Amino acid sequence: GAVVSQHPSWVICKSGTSVKIECRSLDFQATTMFWYRQFPKQSLMLMATSNEGSKATYEQGVEKDKFLINHASLTLSTLTVTSAHPEDSSFYICSARTGDEQFFGPGTRLTVL
Amino acid sequence: RKEVEQDPGPFNVPEGATVAFNCTYSNSASQSFFWYRQDCRKEPKLLMSVYSSGNEDGRFTAQLNRASQYISLLIRDSKLSDSATYLCVVRAGGGNKLTFGTGTQLKVEL
Repeated sequence: GAVVSQHPSWVICKSGTSVKIECRSLDFQATTMFWYRQFPKQSLMLMATSNEGSKATYEQGVEKDKFLINHASLTLSTLTVTSAHPEDSSFYICSARTGDEQFFGPGTRLTVL
Repeated sequence: RKEVEQDPGPFNVPEGATVAFNCTYSNSASQSFFWYRQDCRKEPKLLMSVYSSGNEDGRFTAQLNRASQYISLLIRDSKLSDSATYLCVVRAGGGNKLTFGTGTQLKVEL
């Protein structure tokens, strides 16, 4: 299947700092990428849909000023968690759609102390 | 009611067994259906799409019943490596958004 990469794999940071996560589609162009969050023993929850060249669409309850999304090119989307707090600790996963199928990056495990 | 419901398990089965998982969805406008596999602390990986006529990929068979809004996954001759969480995923027609079930955990034992 298609390959989606994500960096970093994990990050530990202090409360109040900002963390940037990159998502890349390696062998295809993706006009749309998706950012999910998964807490332990819960299902993936869509946070936002990232559109190349335009503003992201956020799901209800997700603060757009806290989770900044930039989709600067057809192969790169970034998610910045601003002023991170311990409750933001989670597994963040990006994905990209090609045709009818959606492929996921390996995820970023964020721990905020 | 959750949009996609699955029995969380865990299902503990011996190696070689046949096991089936079920999933129900509430949105009748759903058009695309998938089974993903997620290993512990890893990202979901597409196992197979689910088609109206039912489809098979090796030891895995998926079925869709639109009238009952029900999807199933059958795994034959279970291997130890099949141990994982199986996610039922649906997409509403014309949209991009995938909705995930909470997953069914399978443990295949010697």
